[in-house]
Amino acid sequence: NAGVTQTPKFQVLKTGQSMTLQCAQDMNHEYMSWYRQDPGMGLRLIHYSVGAGITDQGEVPNGYNVSRSTTEDFPLRLLSAAPSQTSVYFCASSYGTGDEQYFGPGTRLTVT
Amino acid sequence: QQPVQSPQAVILREGEDAVINCSSSKALYSVHWYRQKHGEAPVFLMILLKGGEQKGHEKISASFNEKKQQSSLYLTASQLSYSGTYFCGTEPSYDKVIFGPGTSLSVIP
Repeated sequence: NAGVTQTPKFQVLKTGQSMTLQCAQDMNHEYMSWYRQDPGMGLRLIHYSVGAGITDQGEVPNGYNVSRSTTEDFPLRLLSAAPSQTSVYFCASSYGTGDEQYFGPGTRLTVT
Repeated sequence: QQPVQSPQAVILREGEDAVINCSSSKALYSVHWYRQKHGEAPVFLMILLKGGEQKGHEKISASFNEKKQQSSLYLTASQLSYSGTYFCGTEPSYDKVIFGPGTSLSVIP
């Protein structure tokens, strides 16, 4: 199993550009989440999904969109990048409530 | 609704013990504990569920006070490899995990 994969590993964007961060898992997990990590702020939940076709907002959803058309994939879209979105983004998945979350390796995004 | 962690940072000598605390203002279904080393993804340590069930590594010890919505992670006889940032994650509902700001732990020889 590859586990949770994320692409790209690094990305530099200019203000106003859009892009999609990819996340995929091959463990047949129902639950998937996106977090951003900034120094001193911990991991903050952006969006999450409890199954294909079901998504919901987390703590910091503004400026991001998600969709979940398959169990395996959970892409995160930045609509119009801003410097405040400079961060490390982690995707995580789990079987369900009360289960271990498996994290991807992260995407380091810089917006100039 | 982010849980509160204490202390923010701690420095230990090898062999010493430490306790990291986590508290929430919301009723919780479970509490998760993860450790992250610099430049890496968080790694699972333990989950404590409402009702007393625990899932995780045998060498890790933790407690969950359901009435007070508080959890503590106990690190005994610390080793250099214990260094990193420890995050508690809380599940206030049956669908998402909200993480605290983290506790930085440094173990020195």
